[in-house]
Amino acid sequence: AQKITQTQPGMFVQEKEAVTLDCTYDTSDQSYGLFWYKQPSSGEMIFLIYQGSYDEQNATEGRYSLNFQKARKSANLVISASQLGDSAMYFCAGGGSNYKLTFGKGTLLTVNP
Amino acid sequence: GAVVSQHPSWVICKSGTSVKIECRSLDFQATTMFWYRQFPKQSLMLMATSNEGSKATYEQGVEKDKFLINHASLTLSTLTVTSAHPEDSSFYICSAREGLHNEQFFGPGTRLTVL
Repeated sequence: AQKITQTQPGMFVQEKEAVTLDCTYDTSDQSYGLFWYKQPSSGEMIFLIYQGSYDEQNATEGRYSLNFQKARKSANLVISASQLGDSAMYFCAGGGSNYKLTFGKGTLLTVNP
Repeated sequence: GAVVSQHPSWVICKSGTSVKIECRSLDFQATTMFWYRQFPKQSLMLMATSNEGSKATYEQGVEKDKFLINHASLTLSTLTVTSAHPEDSSFYICSAREGLHNEQFFGPGTRLTVL
């Protein structure tokens, strides 16, 4: 079983600045993956980045990077050089050997001009 | 990238009727498809896992006789909400994964309103 905790209901960031969205997890699986998805107001879920539990390096995808600290059970998303289009809901999710995803409650990010 | 479609994107129906939602993987074969429900301002909750050619497995608390899932091929899964009631009004989202890949790719969602 997985538990995903996102403690920031909302975050504000100035355009062009970096922002970190927090995510902690708890799991009994030895092998697991952590995901971040973006959900704009249209409702679609957009895959951003993935980190496997055995990956030694932090995942990066363009302006997105995942700060994975296994000992602290955290998988924070870092968005660099924020853009107005980054304003959306962001969900952290965890998946184990059965590939089922458990989602956190989400963080609403607002990018200010 | 992998593309998943859903149809319809929105539907309004009368209480007591049944509604079918389709989920298709357009450019890959989906080993597994998942169905989620999302109420306003809440997170996604997994309803069921669907593997091609076998019965879906439902999460605790999800009525399998109310939410019928059929995964007839490697590119199509359907969710039928039977005898829909207003409390079934929600955003239904499917996702699909391919082979050994861990990523799930999501459809655009279907907004169901039951009057």
